[in-house]
Order: sequence, then C-alpha cells, then structure tokens
Amino acid sequence: SQTIHQWPATLVQPVGSPLSLECTVEGTSNPNLYWYRQAAGRGLQLLFYSVGIGQISSEVPQNLSASRPQDRQFILSSKKLLLSDSGFYLCAWSARAPGRQETQYFGPGTRLLVL
Amino acid sequence: AQTVTQSQPEMSVQEAETVTLSCTYDTSESDYYLFWYKQPPSRQMILVIRQEAYKQQNATENRFSVNFQKAAKSFSLKISDSQLGDAAMYFCAYRGYYGGSQGNLIFGKGTKLSVKP
Repeated sequence: SQTIHQWPATLVQPVGSPLSLECTVEGTSNPNLYWYRQAAGRGLQLLFYSVGIGQISSEVPQNLSASRPQDRQFILSSKKLLLSDSGFYLCAWSARAPGRQETQYFGPGTRLLVL
Repeated sequence: AQTVTQSQPEMSVQEAETVTLSCTYDTSESDYYLFWYKQPPSRQMILVIRQEAYKQQNATENRFSVNFQKAAKSFSLKISDSQLGDAAMYFCAYRGYYGGSQGNLIFGKGTKLSVKP
C-alpha cells in the first residue's frame, strides 16, 4: 500500500531564516506530487505541483520554491522566511495511471510558525 | 475559472442522527470529479468520497453518501448515524477531467461539523 510522509511535523523558525520541508511517497512510482498551504481558518491553496523529476509548476507567486530531486521526493524551500509564510503545509500525491490520477492523497502535514 | 462554494461555515448534529453538508460549484466543463475530504483535529486531509460527473449514480461509502445534481451543480454530503469521530472540518473539492493545471484540486472553504453526544 502507498504511504506519504512529511517532516518535520512542527517547525518554529525566525523571520529571515531558510526553510526546507520534505515529502516522500512509498509504494508507488512516478506519482504526481503537490504542495498546499492552509492558513488558519482557511481552505487549501495549491502552491506547486510536479509531474516528474525536475518538473515543477508554480500556481502562485511567493517566497517559496519547490524541487523534486527524486521520483518520490518533493521538497518545499525558502531562502528567507516571512511572517506570512506561517501556516500548515500539506503534501499530496496522485497516481499517474489513467483512471486513477484524479484522486489526491494527503500526508500528515507540517505546522510552520514564523516568529 | 472553476469555483467551489460551501455556504455552511458550521453545522451541528446529534450523535446517531443524520446531517447533510452542502456544496455548490461552478464550471463550464462537462466531465470532472468531485470529492469530499475530512480534516479532523490532527489536520490530515482524509478522502471521504468521490464522484465522477459522468456517472449518474450517487457515490456511497458506508455511512457517507452524496446527492449529486449535475444540472444544479450541487454536490451535498450526507452522513448517516453520526458518530463522535465524524467531528471535523469537511471540504468539498473539484477536479477537472484532464491533467495539467486542469487536474488540480479546487477546494471550498470548509464546513466545521460538531457532533453532540
């Protein structure tokens, strides 16, 4: 069965510090991968998605970047965090196979607090 | 652009009773997918149920069922025999039929469901 991991679970960082959040998927190959952010009391906002190694699409201009160095690894980064980067970050995956790619499955998330 | 609207910010139900959460969406596409996700206090998003727009039959998963009205662009979630563990935020989501940016999920703002013992 497929599982998705995210770490760290919680992170407190000062303004201006760098960020690296990691997401890995097990039990599947060649997945589509997604990064979402959820601000307090709000819905989910898609930040990035990737259909393959090195292929990243950005949905909104922001202080963040994403990379996919390996097939099942997706990393969210920032060089200098802003207060507005605080939130709950969720990684998700979907299968690439026809007829199965429409459903996204989410990881446990990372709580980021920028002070 | 597609939009998803959940008009009920909060709902409450008595344990063992039935509750219906509303969702409407706007799209010009004829083929698409709709989802309900549950987000408990742990905040992990859990898939509850999915519906393919080309299927007329309403999806059902145990105590969860949907009322899909394609012409009205309505997709409500019914929870039968509510349990304390059903208390959570519920998000309705839309996905276009094709891949690329059209394949990205569009979420509503959520409905917070409370279950009273």
